[in-house]
Amino acid sequence: SYELTQPPSVSVSPGLTATITCSGDSLGDKYVCWYQQKPGQSPLLVIYQDNRRPSGIPERFSGSSSGKTATLTISGTQPMDEAEYFCQAWDSTTGGVFGGGTKLTV
Amino acid sequence: QVQLQESGPGLVKPSETLSLTCTVSGDSIGASYWSWLRRPAGKGLEWIGRIHTIGYVNVNYNPSLKGRVTMSVDTSMNHISLSLSSVTAADTAVYYCARTLSSGGAYFDYWGQGTLVTVSS
Repeated sequence: SYELTQPPSVSVSPGLTATITCSGDSLGDKYVCWYQQKPGQSPLLVIYQDNRRPSGIPERFSGSSSGKTATLTISGTQPMDEAEYFCQAWDSTTGGVFGGGTKLTV
Repeated sequence: QVQLQESGPGLVKPSETLSLTCTVSGDSIGASYWSWLRRPAGKGLEWIGRIHTIGYVNVNYNPSLKGRVTMSVDTSMNHISLSLSSVTAADTAVYYCARTLSSGGAYFDYWGQGTLVTVSS
């Protein structure tokens, strides 16, 4: 089955740039999206189709993908961005696949 | 604004069948794809399955759950249903339904608030 790998945790100081990676075989051939989930809340889509932002998501969130790695970048990270972040791709055999999640500490 | 609301028993006995319903407002069940997902405590998100009735009924299930899971829709009630049979403690999780956009891969843009299901005797 297809798998996505994320670092368990990332720390960043307020105002600086946070980078969260997601890796998988031939990931660059698939579209990647990212979700933010805070305790007690439902996941929130923050990036889709590698680098598109849904309406209402701040510009400080951006995404990129190439080769085996996709990256979520949060510029000027704010305390409100502290959350767990999950990458997700669609595999023709497995269906929806999520990374294990990265806890972002600000 | 699309809204989804999960409902169903919060406690299910081992070996029995978990049954949940997702009520959708702000969109037509028949016009989109819909998925069930779950998140066990202390673990990550897991996609359970996807269903649509656009032209015909089409369902895809996570291979790891295939054989135990069934999804269906009731377009008259704008409901999506999930059944998971032969449950064990490993099926204890918060269960979500989500609208699924399937252009350029597939992703989940609107989620319900989630409902906790505990498997215990």
